[in-house]
Amino acid sequence: GQQVMQIPQYQHVQEGEDFTTYCNSSTTLSNIQWYKQRPGGHPVFLIQLVKSGEVKKQKRLTFQFGEAKKNSSLHITATQTTDVGTYFCAAPPNTGNQFYFGTGTSLTVIP
Amino acid sequence: KAGVTQTPRYLIKTRGQQVTLSCSPISGHRSVSWYQQTPGQGLQFLFEYFSETQRNKGNFPGRFSGRQFSNSRSEMNVSTLELGDSALYLCASRRQGSANTEAFFGQGTRLTVV
Repeated sequence: GQQVMQIPQYQHVQEGEDFTTYCNSSTTLSNIQWYKQRPGGHPVFLIQLVKSGEVKKQKRLTFQFGEAKKNSSLHITATQTTDVGTYFCAAPPNTGNQFYFGTGTSLTVIP
Repeated sequence: KAGVTQTPRYLIKTRGQQVTLSCSPISGHRSVSWYQQTPGQGLQFLFEYFSETQRNKGNFPGRFSGRQFSNSRSEMNVSTLELGDSALYLCASRRQGSANTEAFFGQGTRLTVV
């Protein structure tokens, strides 16, 4: 199946520090989505990136899609305790319509 | 409008038994996907249904099966349960079946096999 590698697997930060998670694919992606799953919750859609080099912002969150459309990143500025959770990227395979999820990055914010 | 509803929320079964999980997508959504989530493996894709047809299938044994009804509700079945099947099973619905629409997840069914 689709291989979407995500790093790091875990990240602990002090509140106020920045955080970045990366998604990498060996193949070109048509688009990539990001989801957040709070502890004990279910994944919730954050954003979708489609264009090469695309950058989108949501308040303190910045999402980027690489120029070659093989990688993506999510950057959180000045983390808060409400940012705690696991962040997943998800991308469709070369053929078909189904999304495959990355392994996720679990973010812990230390107050 | 109502979100994605999964029933039951929690389930305990013994090895060798079978189990059926249910997912009601958001009204108007025709695509339903199922995922298995475990701490070590993340979100693993099981299968996807669109208009009562299975369009995609992940790399799971034949013990895992599913179906979708005409009202888009979906069920997944796991036969001959194994301890390793203990996981959170999530279903996600999408309005369309294309790969550029967001997925809405249900709360999941927590299955424990003892």
